[in-house]
Amino acid sequence: DSGVTQTPKHLITATGQRVTLRCSPRSGDLSVYWYQQSLDQGLQFLIQYYNGEERAKGNILERFSAQQFPDLHSELNLSSLELGDSALYFCASSVAIGPYEQYFGPGTRLTVT
Amino acid sequence: KNEVEQSPQNLTAQEGEFITINCSYSVGISALHWLQQHPGGGIVSLFMLSSGKKKHGRLIATINIQEKHSSLHITASHPRDSAVYICAVLGRGQGAQKLVFGQGTRLTINP
Repeated sequence: DSGVTQTPKHLITATGQRVTLRCSPRSGDLSVYWYQQSLDQGLQFLIQYYNGEERAKGNILERFSAQQFPDLHSELNLSSLELGDSALYFCASSVAIGPYEQYFGPGTRLTVT
Repeated sequence: KNEVEQSPQNLTAQEGEFITINCSYSVGISALHWLQQHPGGGIVSLFMLSSGKKKHGRLIATINIQEKHSSLHITASHPRDSAVYICAVLGRGQGAQKLVFGQGTRLTINP
């Protein structure tokens, strides 16, 4: 158990809908990362937050957004969902920014039908 | 060409064999991670390296910064080692905030 929790574990929704994925980092970790793993693209970095502020962006679509709250949990919002958004979404946390160990949550499997 | 390349993509071996998975990268890095992903999907961080060698149980990871190359070795492999092993690099400066992943190596250890 990494100490990072993600909810829900599975999510099935229809095209055009909006969903929210939630992540709670390990106790004491200030940095949260979101990753997407799809069959054709592999693992990709989406976005990073540190202590409530966005610090880095990767290949995140404009339909996706995220935030980190004062209690350090983070939410990833996916809107106007398309079939191609079906993927595993992982959250990870680390103590700070830079070359620190990242601890991964169990992931949320999103299926868009 | 991907920034991070792993080889082989698939590896099947017999229990007890010595396993080597390779990772080459093309950018300057501040650290390299080796991750393990089991069939259920969960990802576990095995090592984070910025130089030299690290050992944990039967797993050994090495990195050669000059050659931009890292290897993950498994000694006395066991069927429970069957998983996908993923190499990921953390860049420098602004790039030090996002991991870039290899495509993974699927390892199957037969009893």
